[in-house]
Amino acid sequence: EPEVTQTPSHQVTQMGQEVILRCVPISNHLYFYWYRQILGQKVEFLVSFYNNEISEKSEIFDDQFSVERPDGSNFTLKIRSTKLEDSAMYFCASTRESTYNSPLHFGNGTRLTVT
Amino acid sequence: TQLLEQSPQFLSIQEGENLTVYCNSSSVFSSLQWYRQEPGEGPVLLVTVVTGGEVKKLKRLTFQFGDARKDSSLHITAAQPGDTGLYLCAGERDTGKLIFGQGTTLQVKP
Repeated sequence: EPEVTQTPSHQVTQMGQEVILRCVPISNHLYFYWYRQILGQKVEFLVSFYNNEISEKSEIFDDQFSVERPDGSNFTLKIRSTKLEDSAMYFCASTRESTYNSPLHFGNGTRLTVT
Repeated sequence: TQLLEQSPQFLSIQEGENLTVYCNSSSVFSSLQWYRQEPGEGPVLLVTVVTGGEVKKLKRLTFQFGDARKDSSLHITAAQPGDTGLYLCAGERDTGKLIFGQGTTLQVKP
């Protein structure tokens, strides 16, 4: 069964550095998402992306964050000038159409550790 | 702010027992989804309920959506050690934007 793949599985970076988290959604999916989960806390919505633009973003997704679909397969989350509180699991997800009609598929996440 | 309160947060039971996990909100959702998450992995969808009052069964798991589409429950009959894991409910109002509950960590002891 096709799956969402994320790389790297674990990223360690120093505070103030930029990181790019990569995702390859399922090939025929059209809607893409980033979620994050701080250790011991809820999974939180960050951003949704459709038709090469952001559909919706949460309060968390400030100017420090950006997303891009640079080619037909990758979907990236860039965090500029990382902060300690950005340490979390970041999950990419995709769906073929609206989630009302098709399930959301999550990747296994990238664990970001900011030191 | 939309909140989904999930309870209990932790549950430790013996194999063969029944259990129910609750997910409550003051907000109406277009759908409510239940996920299971294993350590080091992303959430995996178990079921989506859409219609108020809807009941769905997945083997020994029974999912119900409240009539007002504000709450949901997951009932597991005759729990087995393989059911051990983190169960998450998530409410959806807009496409793909899910509001997650805190999760219920279930431990089923043999």
